[in-house]
Amino acid sequence: DAGVIQSPRHEVTEMGQEVTLRCKPISGHDYLFWYRQTMMRGLELLIYFNNNVPIDDSGMPEDRFSAKMPNASFSTLKIQPSEPRDSAVYFCASSGGIAEEVHEQFFGPGTRLTVL
Amino acid sequence: DAKTTQPPSMDCAEGRAANLPCNHSTISGNEYVYWYRQIHSQGPQYIIHGLKNNETNEMASLIITEDRKSSTLILPHATLRDTAVYYCIPRDDKIIFGKGTRLHILP
Repeated sequence: DAGVIQSPRHEVTEMGQEVTLRCKPISGHDYLFWYRQTMMRGLELLIYFNNNVPIDDSGMPEDRFSAKMPNASFSTLKIQPSEPRDSAVYFCASSGGIAEEVHEQFFGPGTRLTVL
Repeated sequence: DAKTTQPPSMDCAEGRAANLPCNHSTISGNEYVYWYRQIHSQGPQYIIHGLKNNETNEMASLIITEDRKSSTLILPHATLRDTAVYYCIPRDDKIIFGKGTRLHILP
């Protein structure tokens, strides 16, 4: 398996533009997580899905952020409109199941977003 | 979720054992203790987890005190590639990352 795949790896955009980050989880995993990492706030959980259904979006900063998981092999995190304070590294992770004894999360390489 | 306390940074000589402590005094009975690490510019990587008993895998050993209020991650023979931020995470549901310990392996 190629692991968790994220695209793009780097994104530079201007304030006010729409940004879409993409994630392909590991095949067979039924949990998908979106995280954001900044120097100031560290690594924060934004939202997670179970079987394509959003379970907890309490970490989503505001209405400008939205996430979808239309099928088991694809998820998007959208920011519209983007602001400079959204600049961060965004990680996607997947796991086989929270209820299991072993629920290791596998992280993707991240997308480094810069909003000018 | 239980709160954790980890030293902000530690040094360890290459080839020696690195012992990373973590206090989680408010941990509940059903919360596992997970350890992850993050090497610079990469996503976090799972290391090991445990509930009550000590655990060992190919990467590390985890020692959990009998009262479960603290644990120690042991890297038996640290190498330069072990330089990373190490996170101790008690959880029963979602992972909440704290500030972790920045481990420097010295040549």
